[in-house]
Amino acid sequence: AQSVTQPDIHITVSEGASLELRCNYSYGATPYLFWYVQSPGQGLQLLLKYFSGDTLVQGIKGFEAEFKRSQSSFNLRKPSVHWSDAAEYFCAVAAAGTYKYIFGTGTRLKVLA
Amino acid sequence: KAGVTQTPRYLIKTRGQQVTLSCSPISGHRSVSWYQQTPGQGLQFLFEYFSETQRNKGNFPGRFSGRQFSNSRSEMNVSTLELGDSALYLCASSLGNRRNTEAFFGQGTRLTVV
Repeated sequence: AQSVTQPDIHITVSEGASLELRCNYSYGATPYLFWYVQSPGQGLQLLLKYFSGDTLVQGIKGFEAEFKRSQSSFNLRKPSVHWSDAAEYFCAVAAAGTYKYIFGTGTRLKVLA
Repeated sequence: KAGVTQTPRYLIKTRGQQVTLSCSPISGHRSVSWYQQTPGQGLQFLFEYFSETQRNKGNFPGRFSGRQFSNSRSEMNVSTLELGDSALYLCASSLGNRRNTEAFFGQGTRLTVV
């Protein structure tokens, strides 16, 4: 069955520290992969996406993610976290060429001043 | 460029009633998808419409339905509301082609069923 796992429900980091949010997927073929961020009471904002090609993808707000086929992972990273990054982060997967996204359960990020 | 617009933002309905939610996609986008977000089940895909046709469907009962108009605007309808239908309903807009499937989400409609 197709699934996305975000093992960390909550993560707390200090402002200025580095961040890595984990995402593992289970899929029959190479999927399209996405990271979204959601602030309280808001919709989802696309941070970055992977369709094919270079396995290290750059996104908005200084985020990047690396696709590792052998580990079925697509972890999100940021070298230095800002207080405004506090939000919930969702990893999603879709079959190539489709719009039916499967989302992980999300990781809530708290940033300490 | 205007983003995805969902109306209304908040809605309170009584059990047994029906409700219609609206979504206006980004100009030029032809695909609209709908998702339900709840604390217990997370984000779940409802359906996707492209050129007025349902192209994909999730695992929801028939009480959940949708449609898309010729201008790509979409509506979803939930009939015979249940308490468990209380959720944030998110609409996503996409170009609709098979090569670039990134979706842009609206701010959602918060539905409360009492």
